[in-house]
Amino acid sequence: QLVLTQSPSASASLGASVKLTCTLSSGHSSYAIAWHQQQPEKGPRYLMKLNSDGSHSKGDGIPDRFSGSSSGAERYLTISSLQSEDEADYYCQTWGTGIGVFGTGTKVTVL
Amino acid sequence: EVQLVETGGGLIQPGGSLRLSCAASGFTVSSNYMSWVRQAPGKGLEWVSVIYSGGSTYYADSVKGRFTISRDNSKNTLYLQMNSLRAEDTAVYYCARVRRGVIDYWGQGTLVTVSS
Repeated sequence: QLVLTQSPSASASLGASVKLTCTLSSGHSSYAIAWHQQQPEKGPRYLMKLNSDGSHSKGDGIPDRFSGSSSGAERYLTISSLQSEDEADYYCQTWGTGIGVFGTGTKVTVL
Repeated sequence: EVQLVETGGGLIQPGGSLRLSCAASGFTVSSNYMSWVRQAPGKGLEWVSVIYSGGSTYYADSVKGRFTISRDNSKNTLYLQMNSLRAEDTAVYYCARVRRGVIDYWGQGTLVTVSS
């Protein structure tokens, strides 16, 4: 069964960097994923598609501060030079049998 | 510019029905996979349904047999017919476009509240 695992929370200081992890379940390490951001009281926004080789393509207007990388079954989202507006929930997402799958989300707090 | 605008949410009693609409612009609905995703209050994102460009449809187990996804190509609009609504269906419902297995555009969402 395809499952995406995310840590519930992460935090870092203003101006620092934070690295979020999304882990694909066994047997699915070649899958591409997407990262989505959801700021408080807003709808989700597509950040990027991240492939197993670490290549990624960003959505419209996504700043260079957001980058992606991969290692085995793990997919990473790194946010550099953290800003207050980066405080949000971050979800990873991929495609399962017929329908999509979401991770449980990571809440990022900017200290 | 790609835009997705959902309408049709509201307050409905348990057992009732509601139809959500998602008007798309900037691309052709029928040429893409289109999805409905929902988010219950304080919870994460849950995939509800998808319609493929070829017309095949898939549903989450939680809504199978009660919800129906469809599209009107002439109106470039996606729909979600929701029947036999339950309290646990209360959520913000988002329309989304799917390209190569990932959502690349989201609507702003419409709130459905199921309560007596």
